[in-house]
Amino acid sequence: EVQLVESGGGLVQPGGSLRLSCAASGFTFSNYWMHWVRQVPGQGLVWVSRIYRDGSATDYADSVKGRFTISRDNAKNTLYLQMNSLRVEDTAVYYCVRDANGEWGDSWGQGTLVTVSS
Amino acid sequence: DVVMTQSPLSLPVSLGQPASISCRSSRSLATRAGNTYLHWFQQRPGQSPRRLIYKVSNRDSGVPDRFSGSGSGTDFTLTISRVEAEDVGVYYCMQGTHWPPYTFGQGTKLEIK
Repeated sequence: EVQLVESGGGLVQPGGSLRLSCAASGFTFSNYWMHWVRQVPGQGLVWVSRIYRDGSATDYADSVKGRFTISRDNAKNTLYLQMNSLRVEDTAVYYCVRDANGEWGDSWGQGTLVTVSS
Repeated sequence: DVVMTQSPLSLPVSLGQPASISCRSSRSLATRAGNTYLHWFQQRPGQSPRRLIYKVSNRDSGVPDRFSGSGSGTDFTLTISRVEAEDVGVYYCMQGTHWPPYTFGQGTKLEIK
């Protein structure tokens, strides 16, 4: 069974940092692009970042470019999102999402809540 | 960026009745190779999103056949032939043709009338 389990969310002050993790199981992690998507509670879905199978290519939404870094450890079957210089508007539930060669989003994690507040 | 526009944003439907959600993109989602990366997701209250339809009209495993997707180019539709109580939630279309960024529609909230 495919499973994606996010962790690392919590309360952080503006300007602070947080690292999210997404542990993958039940499939060959290194065969898939992976993404982070976020959702402000009560609002819609917003794509954040993407990483290629071997980590050699990454992309970011303009709103997080230069502050967030996506990475992966295929030996540990884990996806990461390093979030620096956090802003109040980064408050959201963050989901990791699997991408099967354009057939995007067949598996999602349960999400982890990040709250940026003083 | 490709803008995805859904309508309606709120959809009250009686049980057993059909429902239809429109999704329009600001540019064609068809690739030169003949693929169209338009997907539909359902998010039930308190749950993570779940994909229902991929590449316009392909139903995911385990998705009831009352759900269907259609369309081409810039105009797409998600149809539920007979709404059931478990269909309550928010539905999103999403494009994966022109990236980055990948973009979602605003969401359509389906409720039982």
